[in-house]
Amino acid sequence: DAGVTQSPTHLIKTRGQQVTLRCSPKSGHDTVSWYQQALGQGPQFIFQYYEEEERQRGNFPDRFSGHQFPNYSSELNVNALLLGDSALYLCASSQTGVNQPQHFGDGTRLSIL
Amino acid sequence: RKEVEQDPGPFNVPEGATVAFNCTYSNSASQSFFWYRQDCRKEPKLLMSVYSSGNEDGRFTAQLNRASQYISLLIRDSKLSDSATYLCVARMDSNYQLIWGAGTKLIIKP
Repeated sequence: DAGVTQSPTHLIKTRGQQVTLRCSPKSGHDTVSWYQQALGQGPQFIFQYYEEEERQRGNFPDRFSGHQFPNYSSELNVNALLLGDSALYLCASSQTGVNQPQHFGDGTRLSIL
Repeated sequence: RKEVEQDPGPFNVPEGATVAFNCTYSNSASQSFFWYRQDCRKEPKLLMSVYSSGNEDGRFTAQLNRASQYISLLIRDSKLSDSATYLCVARMDSNYQLIWGAGTKLIIKP
């Protein structure tokens, strides 16, 4: 039973570029959340997808957008990259329901030069 | 004030000792709580959910104090492999967003 998988594991981009990160949820999970984690900080919520729609969004600009596909997999897109976007991007999946814990993928480490 | 606050540590603890740390949350509407552990440059992994009555899983005990708005994690008979950062998470039932603390770093020394 595969857990949450993310790709790529590492990515280097330059300012102004665009990036797409991918996530496949754990089997049986239908909800995907994306987080940004800077060094020494806890994860910061970007948004959550359920039934192919953005269900909730954190305090991130519109440069951050996403998508969920019918098979529950998801993408995170970031446009006009800034140096401050350098971080570990984590995808977490869960079953729907407020008390369901989230399970994380290994993350994508994004570096902006 | 941060919504979820943790002492960043590090807590340096000898192997075999008992260690406890707390996490405070500011929103009294928070209903669900979790502890995750995160190893260096790895993803967070669920350690345990925290229930109102408190819960225990082997050497780990989590408790919730709603009156004082904190949750705690107790680790007994600590092992070298317990060295990690422990992240506290809170969520309001009306809100799907998880609010994370910045983590408490634990170092178990032989």
